[in-house]
Amino acid sequence: ELKVEQNPLFLSMQEGKNYTIYCNYSTTSDRLYWYRQDPGKSLESLFVLLSNGAVKQEGRLMASLDTKARLSTLHITAAVHDLSATYFCAVDMEYGNKLVFGAGTILRVKS
Amino acid sequence: DAGITQSPRYKITETGRQVTLMCHQTWSHSYMFWYRQDLGHGLRLIYYSAAADITDKGEVPDGYVVSRSKTENFPLTLESATRSQTSVYFCASSEAAYSNQPQHFGDGTRLSIL
Repeated sequence: ELKVEQNPLFLSMQEGKNYTIYCNYSTTSDRLYWYRQDPGKSLESLFVLLSNGAVKQEGRLMASLDTKARLSTLHITAAVHDLSATYFCAVDMEYGNKLVFGAGTILRVKS
Repeated sequence: DAGITQSPRYKITETGRQVTLMCHQTWSHSYMFWYRQDLGHGLRLIYYSAAADITDKGEVPDGYVVSRSKTENFPLTLESATRSQTSVYFCASSEAAYSNQPQHFGDGTRLSIL
């Protein structure tokens, strides 16, 4: 059974600081997704990582995937208040797009 | 507008009642999914469908029934609602297996069972 663990589950950080969210998973997969969710809203796709060593960047967010370590990271650079949201990683169990989600990381950026 | 639409957005019902959540997508995506979101669990897959008339169980299927007679619709039915099924339900769709595209999510249905 695939398990996906995110840490931290809650992150409070100051504007302008850097931080990393970690996503570990328990079985082999080379397809991982990062989503953002604002309170009361739907999930918005941020990154699709499809191979070992994949790195994607969008604005202040950068995601990477190490399939050998079964680890993905979401790095936040110079955080701003607008990044406050819940971030989920999701691992594809099989090529049928069956996703297993982590519990989510609640990010609060304080000014 | 193209996209994925869930209805109702909010629903309150009583234990033992049957309730159906609707999901409609206009992209002609092959795959459709139902998830429930609960604090501390992220999203958990209830059922999914690879095409019309093809459905399969996910991680937490007990107490739920799905059907998919048309590609664009994927209703989820709670046959006899229980308090433990109080949750936020999300429908999602994606193009196909081996697609490099992410799943696209609806706005969710917040279901409360009293």
